[in-house]
Amino acid sequence: AQKITQTQPGMFVQEKEAVTLDCTYDTSDQSYGLFWYKQPSSGEMIFLIYQGSYDEQNATEGRYSLNFQKARKSANLVISASQLGDSAMYFCAMRELTGGGNKLTFGTGTQLKVEL
Amino acid sequence: NAGVMQNPRHLVRRRGQEARLRCSPMKGHSHVYWYRQLPEEGLKFMVYLQKENIIDESGMPKERFSAEFPKEGPSILRIQQVVRGDSAAYFCASSPRQGHEQFFGPGTRLTVL
Repeated sequence: AQKITQTQPGMFVQEKEAVTLDCTYDTSDQSYGLFWYKQPSSGEMIFLIYQGSYDEQNATEGRYSLNFQKARKSANLVISASQLGDSAMYFCAMRELTGGGNKLTFGTGTQLKVEL
Repeated sequence: NAGVMQNPRHLVRRRGQEARLRCSPMKGHSHVYWYRQLPEEGLKFMVYLQKENIIDESGMPKERFSAEFPKEGPSILRIQQVVRGDSAAYFCASSPRQGHEQFFGPGTRLTVL
């Protein structure tokens, strides 16, 4: 069973608009962490934001915020005031913390294109 | 403080050759993780190592792939007798301790001709 699901293979947004990238996850662990990474065309993996399963507040980092809905098992990334440089592939990932939490499980990604 | 370093950044091999990918973790990090990204896919976990020990190799193919992280020097991911299906980007990540955030290197792009 897929543990991380990103249902949007591609998204378009106009510059300065906000965009939401969807991510749902599946786990039976009570303790886990959720991550978003950005992968520009140059290929490196850039960490954006982290949400712990016990965090009561939604995580925010500058223009990035994570809309964490635990009951629905969703962890959507919201990018506000999109910029041309936000055009990239975005990956949602989960780390299950039970047993040490050593590996990240990634979704298939969403390709975001920011247009003028 | 330099980030995670991987070399080479690009590697071309012919079928049947060996590929050696190197990863130097961030200073002070003793935990290393290898991931593989096939074209148009997300990253998939391969192996987790601590100095001189393989902790979790549940994502490693059973044959031709091996990894090590010696007491001195970088972590090495070794692929013997490469096949076209091994063409992918291989990412290394490191963390200062178990369960901590992982910092990724720039990746090695392996092309098998």
